[in-house]
Amino acid sequence: NAGVTQTPKFRVLKTGQSMTLLCAQDMNHEYMYWYRQDPGMGLRLIHYSVGEGTTAKGEVPDGYNVSRLKKQNFLLGLESAAPSQTSVYFCASSEAREQYFGPGTRLTVT
Amino acid sequence: AQSVAQPEDQVNVAEGNPLTVKCTYSVSGNPYLFWYVQYPNRGLQFLLKYITGDNLVKGSYGFEAEFNKSQTSFHLKKPSALVSDSALYFCAVRPTSGTYKYIFGTGTRLKVLA
Repeated sequence: NAGVTQTPKFRVLKTGQSMTLLCAQDMNHEYMYWYRQDPGMGLRLIHYSVGEGTTAKGEVPDGYNVSRLKKQNFLLGLESAAPSQTSVYFCASSEAREQYFGPGTRLTVT
Repeated sequence: AQSVAQPEDQVNVAEGNPLTVKCTYSVSGNPYLFWYVQYPNRGLQFLLKYITGDNLVKGSYGFEAEFNKSQTSFHLKKPSALVSDSALYFCAVRPTSGTYKYIFGTGTRLKVLA
């Protein structure tokens, strides 16, 4: 039982490049979330999903897209990376009570 | 607007002393309340939650939290701090109607001094 896993753990991008972050959970949770964590700002919600095939915008969705084609996977895409997207990205899943978090992806955009 | 406040950026406490990390919230209805801990370069780990029932809830690693509805607070406590408790602590709230989103505080760094 791996819980929530994230791929990759680290990535460096140049401005304008694109990439996809993968989140996978093996707990059969309905709800999945993508957050970014920046110093002094806590966790900010980017996008979330309340079930397979659904997505919704969070607090800071601009510059990101998501897809939830399978219940266990939640993908976060950056179409054209910007330095402002340098951050640590966390995925989480839940069944409407406590959330379970992945280990994070540290992304640097130069 | 709904919000969660952790008024202290950092709390310092001597090892063996009791610790309190404060959290207050402004959310309508009867929300679910949570505490998470984050160690360096790790994801957040669930510590404890209040859903309903007794106002004092017990969680992992000897932590407990007291729910106070009139003060809309959910302070994290531990009777005797350990150096290994040093970490970043987040309070979170999930409204129980109209949304599946969680609202997080900005975090409190706990430093336990030997």
